[in-house]
Amino acid sequence: AQKVTQAQTEISVVEKEDVTLDCVYETRDTTYYLFWYKQPPSGELVFLIRRNSFDEQNEISGRYSWNFQKSTSSFNFTITASQVVDSAVYFCALRFGQGAQKLVFGQGTRLTINP
Amino acid sequence: EAQVTQNPRYLITVTGKKLTVTCSQNMNHEYMSWYRQDPGLGLRQIYYSMNVEVTDKGDVPEGYKVSRKEKRNFPLILESPSPNQTSLYFCASSLGTGGNQPQHFGDGTRLSIL
Repeated sequence: AQKVTQAQTEISVVEKEDVTLDCVYETRDTTYYLFWYKQPPSGELVFLIRRNSFDEQNEISGRYSWNFQKSTSSFNFTITASQVVDSAVYFCALRFGQGAQKLVFGQGTRLTINP
Repeated sequence: EAQVTQNPRYLITVTGKKLTVTCSQNMNHEYMSWYRQDPGLGLRQIYYSMNVEVTDKGDVPEGYKVSRKEKRNFPLILESPSPNQTSLYFCASSLGTGGNQPQHFGDGTRLSIL
């Protein structure tokens, strides 16, 4: 079955700490795509990053970095020097299937950054 | 401005009264999809559409209908709503059917079925 697991339901840290959000996925497909989305308190969903199954290169964007490891089926997200504005629910998602039409989301991790 | 627009944003209604949530995108995207978000379950895909007149079921299609008569519109229809369909709904679109395209989401519609 195609599945995404975000085992951390809630995380709370103090501002400026580094924090890692875990994402583990399951799929039988050899071609698939992974995404991270942010849902701030205002409720909208904001795209952060995508990765395809053939590209295991890690990525850094400012304070955000992503570690994709096919060997462990993980696509973890790290925020360095966290800020209060990073407080949100973060979703990891897997896109798969013929033509990659189906999308499965993890349960989400609620991240709270305390001042 | 490129956007996905959902209406209404909020709706309280009663069991059995048919309702439609509209979704429109102005980006000429081929792919559109509907999701519901429930606490502890994340987002679950209801239906998706690869192009005009092409729709297919996601993970939780029961109790919902969709149509795609025009490229820009993808309405979600609840023929006989029930309380277990109380949820936050999101419409999304992406440029092509390639999986590498990120989805653009609407702002969400909060439905309460009494």
